[in-house]
Amino acid sequence: EIVMTQSPATLSVSPGDRATLSCRASQTVSTNLAWYQQKLGQPPRLLIYATSARATGVPVRFSGAGSGTEFTLTISSLQSEDFAVYYCQQYHKWPQYTFGQGTRLEIK
Amino acid sequence: QVQLQESGPGLVRPSQTLSLTCSVSGAPISRGGFYWSWVRQRPGKGLEWIAYIYYSGNTDSNPSLQSRVFVSVDTSRNQFSLNLTSVTAADTAVYYCARGPPYRELDFWGQGTLVTVSS
Repeated sequence: EIVMTQSPATLSVSPGDRATLSCRASQTVSTNLAWYQQKLGQPPRLLIYATSARATGVPVRFSGAGSGTEFTLTISSLQSEDFAVYYCQQYHKWPQYTFGQGTRLEIK
Repeated sequence: QVQLQESGPGLVRPSQTLSLTCSVSGAPISRGGFYWSWVRQRPGKGLEWIAYIYYSGNTDSNPSLQSRVFVSVDTSRNQFSLNLTSVTAADTAVYYCARGPPYRELDFWGQGTLVTVSS
């Protein structure tokens, strides 16, 4: 099983500032990585797939980067609606999807 | 736009079988090209993929749950289902159904349904 580890567990950032979230895989996943946003009481929403491709309707302030075992999700200028929990997911070993434990992005 | 909706009992007794159905609208499962998955989220925890099914009936599941998981598809009703046997309190979770292209991410998710295992 590929273990996904996200850091930090919680990130406190002020609105308008940049946020960078990290995700590490226990073995290479190439660029087969997605990011999801989850708000309280809602399902995960696909933000990024194939490491850096934005899903339909996702604002350009969201960007993904990385390859192999190290990945980042950057939100360039935080809006109030961006404060949520973010999960990375590998699908390199499809269909044995595994997810990170999540990073909670909170208002500073 | 594809939509998915989970349904089933919100309370299941220990040792019984958890049974959920996902109803799909906006895309016929029988068209193929997508895999239909179940994912769960235990209280305060992260996401865990359970299993998928293809319209043909081809399935695969998480090795940690494989011995207790059964998934099926009903293309005439555009639905797919999850049965999880011999449940314990550790199976208490929000269960989501989701869709994904082959070898790709999960692009559409249902709203989720909370299932509590308790006597």
